[in-house]
Amino acid sequence: GAVVSQHPSWVICKSGTSVKIECRSLDFQATTMFWYRQFPKQSLMLMATSNEGSKATYEQGVEKDKFLINHASLTLSTLTVTSAHPEDSSFYICSARRQGMNTEAFFGQGTRLTVV
Amino acid sequence: GQNIDQPTEMTATEGAIVQINCTYQTSGFNGLFWYQQHAGEAPTFLSYNVLDGLEEKGRFSSFLSRSKGYSYLLLKELQMKDSASYLCAVTGLTGGGNKLTFGTGTQLKVEL
Repeated sequence: GAVVSQHPSWVICKSGTSVKIECRSLDFQATTMFWYRQFPKQSLMLMATSNEGSKATYEQGVEKDKFLINHASLTLSTLTVTSAHPEDSSFYICSARRQGMNTEAFFGQGTRLTVV
Repeated sequence: GQNIDQPTEMTATEGAIVQINCTYQTSGFNGLFWYQQHAGEAPTFLSYNVLDGLEEKGRFSSFLSRSKGYSYLLLKELQMKDSASYLCAVTGLTGGGNKLTFGTGTQLKVEL
């Protein structure tokens, strides 16, 4: 069964509105989760590292005020795309790893965001 | 920083063997992963290498040479369902060694 669950799977929103995406680790506690964005025919680009109980760490070029990340518990991280625009349309994927560095990353199902 | 390179596209015949290469440069190294991703879906884990050598798992094998910053994924007895994107990812010292950075991905097309 799924280890990491992500919702919604797809969403269509109007330009200027905000969209929240949830990522849950189902059978382990994740102090760290990762948010990726993937444009068509491109690889996964890391946006930010979500840290439980503290501020997220954003990659260079990612606007922290636009992509709000909240990691309020050890099993839930949320990504909110604020004031969405058509160029934000993309595939957003979260992942989590168990404690220890030599472990695979489990991915959520991904969220297809379309801003119209 | 980290720099990971893979061929963009490859084509192979059903039943054949294909090797997908990955070269990387990273500040510190804590392991290399291979993932498979079908269009519109999340990546699925294939293999993990942290020591030099070959790791075999069924039709899939992965090789690592840390001194050369090089890995390959070997797929045997290719099936049509193997048509997908194959992503090489490394973990380094950044992000507490926990962050996974992906390569550009290799789109594999399996033909009859």
